[in-house]
Amino acid sequence: KQEVTQIPAALSVPEGENLVLNCSFTDSAIYNLQWFRQDPGKGLTSLLLIQSSQREQTSGRLNASLDKSSGRSTLYIAASQPGDSATYLCAVYSSASKIIFGSGTRLSIRP
Amino acid sequence: EADIYQTPRYLVIGTGKKITLECSQTMGHDKMYWYQQDPGMELHLIHYSYGVNSTEKGDLSSESTVSRIRTEHFPLTLESARPSHTSQYLCASSEQGSNEKLFFGSGTQLSVL
Repeated sequence: KQEVTQIPAALSVPEGENLVLNCSFTDSAIYNLQWFRQDPGKGLTSLLLIQSSQREQTSGRLNASLDKSSGRSTLYIAASQPGDSATYLCAVYSSASKIIFGSGTRLSIRP
Repeated sequence: EADIYQTPRYLVIGTGKKITLECSQTMGHDKMYWYQQDPGMELHLIHYSYGVNSTEKGDLSSESTVSRIRTEHFPLTLESARPSHTSQYLCASSEQGSNEKLFFGSGTQLSVL
């Protein structure tokens, strides 16, 4: 059974720092991994989707990497801003066509 | 930009009422999903559909029902709401195939008194 873990559960950093969020999964037989951000009380906004054949995807200040063999994905945020404060979730698409979400990392950027 | 809409955005109702949460998407996606999320907690899949007249229960047991009569519409119904149903309900859709990027609506925050 696929399990998805995001550590740490919460992270606070000063504005301007580069930071890395982690997502681990137990079954390497995945075909997509997607990163989202969620603002309090809102829906999820898609940030990046990495297909299993890809190693990374970039969008602006965001870079997501995927290492299936080690069961890890990272989301790198460059030059963090207060507007980046949100909860970041990863979702793993397993080979059984199930999508499993991590519990998220709550990120706070201090001005 | 995602074109998936949920109404109402907020709903406060009394115990025993029947309610329907609406979800519509204009992207022509075959796959649609309903998730339940409590504050600060994980998303749990309660229903999904792979196309018209196709509905399946998800991983989390739910007393709700869904229907998929049209591709763009995937409503969720609670026949008799209870306080335990208080939660946020999120609707999502995706394409078929390898690029199954999920798009989410803004959610419905349901409070049952």
